[in-house]
Amino acid sequence: DTAVSQTPKYLVTQMGNDKSIKCEQNLGHDTMYWYKQDSKKFLKIMFSYNNKELIINETVPNRFSPKSPDKAHLNLHINSLELGDSAVYFCASSQTSGRTNEQFFGPGTRLTVL
Amino acid sequence: AQTVTQSQPEMSVQEAETVTLSCTYDTSENNYYLFWYKQPPSRQMILVIRQEAYKQQNATENRFSVNFQKAAKSFSLKISDSQLGDTAMYFCAFMKQGNTGKLIFGQGTTLQVKP
Repeated sequence: DTAVSQTPKYLVTQMGNDKSIKCEQNLGHDTMYWYKQDSKKFLKIMFSYNNKELIINETVPNRFSPKSPDKAHLNLHINSLELGDSAVYFCASSQTSGRTNEQFFGPGTRLTVL
Repeated sequence: AQTVTQSQPEMSVQEAETVTLSCTYDTSENNYYLFWYKQPPSRQMILVIRQEAYKQQNATENRFSVNFQKAAKSFSLKISDSQLGDTAMYFCAFMKQGNTGKLIFGQGTTLQVKP
């Protein structure tokens, strides 16, 4: 059973296009996250939603817009894609009231902008 | 602001031997969590071990253990009896206690286990 899933796993697109990455978790968690891993493998948080409410919004260009239709889903929409957006994007989820605070990660989406 | 530093970009170890990965962090918080995540070539992020700052006892998970030195702000990972499947990138991460759940990662250490 997949705990945190992302679609697509790979995305190749042209500069200037708009694309979306979808994330779903079946763990019943109340918080979901988007992280970006750049070409040097550095991981940085982008957004976090708790019960569909945005609680973390790091200094991310406003071309990136997260949307959480319900607690189990957090999608990432990117407008006017740029070369520098090429990265692996990870979705994660956790139960913030839980004892462990463990975040469960999805398999990642490798975005390549040409 | 919190920062996490992993000063060893790459390490290697012979199969069955022991290796220690270093991590230091900077924070003014007193209550927080520390984690080690493993990222194998499949790129899946896997939690290896976690430590609550209020606990003095070092966490252990089978062959994985940590040396948590709160005063020194040090959180190293020891892998005993290294196996080929331990080959991966390892990330140290910090999380302030609270409801945001924001993980701050170090730069990562690539570990190669050699047969």
